[in-house]
Amino acid sequence: KNEVEQSPQNLTAQEGEFITINCSYSVGISALHWLQQHPGGGIVSLFMLSSGKKKHGRLIATINIQEKHSSLHITASHPRDSAVYICAVHDNTDKLIFGTGTRLQVFP
Amino acid sequence: DAGVTQSPTHLIKTRGQHVTLRCSPISGHKSVSWYQQVLGQGPQFIFQYYEKEERGRGNFPDRFSARQFPNYSSELNVNALLLGDSALYLCASSLGSGVKQFFGPGTRLTVL
Repeated sequence: KNEVEQSPQNLTAQEGEFITINCSYSVGISALHWLQQHPGGGIVSLFMLSSGKKKHGRLIATINIQEKHSSLHITASHPRDSAVYICAVHDNTDKLIFGTGTRLQVFP
Repeated sequence: DAGVTQSPTHLIKTRGQHVTLRCSPISGHKSVSWYQQVLGQGPQFIFQYYEKEERGRGNFPDRFSARQFPNYSSELNVNALLLGDSALYLCASSLGSGVKQFFGPGTRLTVL
């Protein structure tokens, strides 16, 4: 079993839909990242959080430390949001452990 | 400000050869981490360097080595390449440990 699990693996949506991607982890962590990876490989860090909730534009990330669970929400989705979204955690040795990613496609 | 840069962007090697990948961190960042991302999977941690010292190592064979230079740039070396080493190699820099990491565009290595 992977230490960081994401669901769903693949997600398709119509433009304007509200999207949720989930991440569960089984190790002790100091922080959790949500990353976006576009075709070609470049990774952009969207959020780093260790408690509560963060919001940036149409993106919202939440984390529940007790339940070892985080969610990434995208409101009013747009085709340019199409990418792979990766959850990664800093474990207690400060190593980053990644999920396998959620491939999102948003159609106009 | 320039982001994290990596070179080369693409590389093709044959089995048994050696490869050196390079990374320049964001100015002021003293920590560099290397990751391997095989197609269809999430990245896997290889090394972290901070202030020129190795701070962490992932579950990779001794064929993988790295170093960090006084200007905080870094090299990842892989010896005796195997077909399974074909992957996207990502470098990330940060101010220190446990803080936000900034990723480079990656080097795509193909081993034939």
